[in-house]
Amino acid sequence: GQNIDQPTEMTATEGAIVQINCTYQTSGFNGLFWYQQHAGEAPTFLSYNVLDGLEEKGRFSSFLSRSKGYSYLLLKELQMKDSASYLCAVMDSNYQLIWGAGTKLIIKP
Amino acid sequence: IAGITQAPTSQILAAGRRMTLRCTQDMRHNAMYWYRQDLGLGLRLIHYSNTAGTTGKGEVPDGYSVSRANTDDFPLTLASAVPSQTSVYFCASSDSTRGSVNEQFFGPGTRLTVL
Repeated sequence: GQNIDQPTEMTATEGAIVQINCTYQTSGFNGLFWYQQHAGEAPTFLSYNVLDGLEEKGRFSSFLSRSKGYSYLLLKELQMKDSASYLCAVMDSNYQLIWGAGTKLIIKP
Repeated sequence: IAGITQAPTSQILAAGRRMTLRCTQDMRHNAMYWYRQDLGLGLRLIHYSNTAGTTGKGEVPDGYSVSRANTDDFPLTLASAVPSQTSVYFCASSDSTRGSVNEQFFGPGTRLTVL
């Protein structure tokens, strides 16, 4: 079966760094996405990785290791507005997205 | 219109009633999707459409139907609602074809309660 695993909840302090991990087992791989979803709102796109390595975009970076079926999202200089759920999703061989349940990130002052 | 709109924003529905959730996008994206999101679960694909005139079944299609008469609109119909269809429904679109991957853009969602 297809499976995406990520921690249910994480807590971090304003100004700090947090790493949200995602492991996956899917039928085929056409890239991995990270989305941010604030409570009561729609998911919004953060990053896309299809090759191994680190992609940096401002305060957010995303890493992929295809051989390990592993990705992480790194958030630096945390701000209160970063309090949200972070969704990991893998595009499978049929070009359909398989979604993890999301990691709720709580930022404390 | 800018992006994707969904209607209604929320709805309370009696079990057994028929309901259509509307979705319209103005980005001329070829692909559109319907997901449901339930607490503790990831987004689950209900139906999708890769281009106008075609539709396909996702992970959880039972009890739902869709149509794609044109590029912009992708309505989702619950023929006879049941309480297990209580959920938040998201419509999404992307400019994606097989071999060309782009992100999906999401509408604001419809919160549906079936009693």
